[in-house]
Amino acid sequence: EPEVTQTPSHQVTQMGQEVILRCVPISNHLYFYWYRQILGQKVEFLVSFYNNEISEKSEIFDDQFSVERPDGSNFTLKIRSTKLEDSAMYFCASGPQIPGTGGFEQFFGPGTRLTVL
Amino acid sequence: LAKTTQPISMDSYEGQEVNITCSHNNIATNDYITWYQQFPSQGPRFIIQGYKTKVTNEVASLFIPADRKSSTLSLPRVSLSDTAVYYCLVGSISGTYKYIFGTGTRLKVLA
Repeated sequence: EPEVTQTPSHQVTQMGQEVILRCVPISNHLYFYWYRQILGQKVEFLVSFYNNEISEKSEIFDDQFSVERPDGSNFTLKIRSTKLEDSAMYFCASGPQIPGTGGFEQFFGPGTRLTVL
Repeated sequence: LAKTTQPISMDSYEGQEVNITCSHNNIATNDYITWYQQFPSQGPRFIIQGYKTKVTNEVASLFIPADRKSSTLSLPRVSLSDTAVYYCLVGSISGTYKYIFGTGTRLKVLA
């Protein structure tokens, strides 16, 4: 069964450093997402990506964050200068739905645990 | 996006049927209702999705009354491995289909 994969599973970094979290969405999906979950809290939407551009982003997704689909298969989240409060589990998700054709379902990856020291 | 309200936690015993109800009074015409399951340190996993009436798959059933202001996820004969957080999500078929997660219902299945 196809699945979303994410690397690395755990990333430890120093405050102020740049990190890139990588995701390989399911191959024929059209929509891509990043969510994060701070330990013990709820899952929060960060950004959605469709047709090679950001389609929506939350207040969390400020100028320190960027996303890219560099090669048609990978989908990356970059945090330019990490802060302590960026420590969280980051989930990538992808969805197959073509707009206007009905319901939708997102498939989530296993997550990358980011620890900022 | 419609706000959802669901119980914070529930306990059940193995073999019992569990029903988790979610309230979404402000659901819009274009909104679908989706339920996800999340185990600790894992990504949310899709369980079931519906628009109206009843939907059943190999894992669960979803009951949606005619006014669509609430929905009930039914898990038949739960086992210890069903212990997880269950999220009710309401989202539109238009736009970017982003999910807004609430705090979910923490289900604990006891032996």
